[in-house]
Amino acid sequence: QVQLVQSGAEVKKPGASVKVSCKASGYTFTGSYIYWVRQAPGQGLEWMGWINPNTGATNYAQKFQGRVTVTGDTSISTAYMELRRLRSDDTAVFYCARSMGGWSDAFDIWGQGTLVTVSS
Amino acid sequence: DIQMTQSPSSLSASVGDRVTITCRASQSISTYLNWYQQNPGKAPKLLIYAASRLQSGVPSRFSGSGSGTDFTLTISSLQPEDFATYYCQQSYRTPRTFGQGTKVDIK
Repeated sequence: QVQLVQSGAEVKKPGASVKVSCKASGYTFTGSYIYWVRQAPGQGLEWMGWINPNTGATNYAQKFQGRVTVTGDTSISTAYMELRRLRSDDTAVFYCARSMGGWSDAFDIWGQGTLVTVSS
Repeated sequence: DIQMTQSPSSLSASVGDRVTITCRASQSISTYLNWYQQNPGKAPKLLIYAASRLQSGVPSRFSGSGSGTDFTLTISSLQPEDFATYYCQQSYRTPRTFGQGTKVDIK
């Protein structure tokens, strides 16, 4: 079945970096954009950026510009999100999601989420 | 950025109730509006896309309407599994902003 499976929970110290993976299966990886969304504890959903796995093109929310990099490895159908210079307020669950493309660009498939805890 | 404002932020309802959640965009977004449901500890789930199109596998008690700046999500007869948080999201412009969420809990 179509699914996105993310890497496991991480604990990082302030100032460190984290890299979360998102492995796609059940569909053609290069056929759909992958988005990344952050959700702080008890808070709402925050769009971080996207990658076009076919071309490698990316786009990031201004809030994360300079701290986030999204990449893709088509050979293993996996997208990655790296967040650098972590702060305590980066503690959150990070989701990858597939865009259904076309006119609506809604996110029809989501990964299970990866909890990143930033603590000294 | 386009701001998305949902109302109410929370509501209490009973099984069988008709529930309506509204979402307002800070500028016109045509029908580039999507609705998601999120249960605690789970990833969001797409319910409605393009303002009114029901995602495959989603029960028909869910419906969406609206265009321009004002949108609604309606649950015609609330079921126990519908107690969750609902988010709207615009896909008209980058960044793809979300509403702050509406939590539906049991009265």
